[in-house]
Amino acid sequence: NAGVTQTPKFQVLKTGQSMTLQCAQDMNHEYMSWYRQDPGMGLRLIHYSVGAGITDQGEVPNGYNVSRSTTEDFPLRLLSAAPSQTSVYFCASSRITGFEQYFGPGTRLTVT
Amino acid sequence: AQSVTQLDSQVPVFEEAPVELRCNYSSSVSVYLFWYVQYPNQGLQLLLKYLSGSTLVESINGFEAEFNKSQTSFHLRKPSVHISDTAEYFCAVTITGTASKLTFGTGTRLQVTL
Repeated sequence: NAGVTQTPKFQVLKTGQSMTLQCAQDMNHEYMSWYRQDPGMGLRLIHYSVGAGITDQGEVPNGYNVSRSTTEDFPLRLLSAAPSQTSVYFCASSRITGFEQYFGPGTRLTVT
Repeated sequence: AQSVTQLDSQVPVFEEAPVELRCNYSSSVSVYLFWYVQYPNQGLQLLLKYLSGSTLVESINGFEAEFNKSQTSFHLRKPSVHISDTAEYFCAVTITGTASKLTFGTGTRLQVTL
């Protein structure tokens, strides 16, 4: 199993550009989520999904969109990038009734 | 809503010394508690968890944490640290029955030196 994979590893965007961060898991997990990690702030939940076709907002959803058309994939879209979205983004997955979240290696995004 | 406080942003310690990383939580309902570890340039890995039962939980690499309901704490301890324990440690909480929606603390960076 590859576990949770994320692409790209690094990305630089200009203000106003859009892009999609990819996340995939091969563990047949129902639950998937996106976090952003900023210095001194820990991880904050952006969006999550409890299954294909079902998504919901987390703590910091503004400026981001998600969709879940398959169990495996959970892409995160930045609609119009802003410098405040400079961060490290982590995708995670778990079973609905499981208690361990499996994290991807992260995407380091810089918005100039 | 629940919250997690990790008061120590950095903890420097010498190799083979004991260490305690503090975690306090706030919630009006029952919770599950977790410690995750993040090694440099990697994602997070589950270190240990408290769901129910014995309040003392242990990891395979010598860490332990004790759930203290009266003090709303879940401190992480290790009696003798190794250089390889250098990492950032995150305490996390979720409400029982919603096991997947975690709230994280701000993290504690453990720096082990010779």
